[in-house]
Amino acid sequence: GAVVSQHPSRVICKSGTSVKIECRSLDFQATTMFWYRQFPKQSLMLMATSNEGSKATYEQGVEKDKFLINHASLTLSTLTVTSAHPEDSSFYICSAELGAETQYFGPGTRLLVL
Amino acid sequence: AQTVTQSQPEMSVQEAETVTLSCTYDTSESDYYLFWYKQPPSRQMILVIRQEAYKQQNATENRFSVNFQKAAKSFSLKISDSQLGDAAMYFCAYRTSNTGNQFYFGTGTSLTVIP
Repeated sequence: GAVVSQHPSRVICKSGTSVKIECRSLDFQATTMFWYRQFPKQSLMLMATSNEGSKATYEQGVEKDKFLINHASLTLSTLTVTSAHPEDSSFYICSAELGAETQYFGPGTRLLVL
Repeated sequence: AQTVTQSQPEMSVQEAETVTLSCTYDTSESDYYLFWYKQPPSRQMILVIRQEAYKQQNATENRFSVNFQKAAKSFSLKISDSQLGDAAMYFCAYRTSNTGNQFYFGTGTSLTVIP
């Protein structure tokens, strides 16, 4: 099956620092990847759609200067949380689209900003 | 935007029994995809089953099957012979047939399996 990895699985950082999260499709190429945020006991909230070789499309209310997305290759997208603050603490999930229809998800990254 | 509704925040089922999780959606499109994803305590989203709207036949994957009613815009998931490992959050999702389009997720149903 299609496998998506995410690294790191969890990260603790100090307020004001930046954190980079990597999302990789291991056995397929993904033109499109998605980044989600999930709060406890809630559904996934789409943050942005990442297209290889072009700028990401951000959802309304998501600060693109704070959540930098780079999709430099067909197997790698990165999300950088810049100048992280405690309110950015959350569970971040990426997904990669296969076959223009199905999304396969990474295992998620738990971010805690102190 | 399309909306996906899961009206059952929590459900429980006895081990080995059958349970049905409901999902309805709102759309004006005729061609789209529907999915059920499972999110166990590990929080890894796992694809359970998918359905293409143009297919009349209901999708089946082992103990998991769907009841797709296109006219009623309903897409329920039936889990047969429930197992302890089925305990998880289940999310229904809708996607248009256009490339690169996002999923619209329901709010989820938390399934408890009682031994």
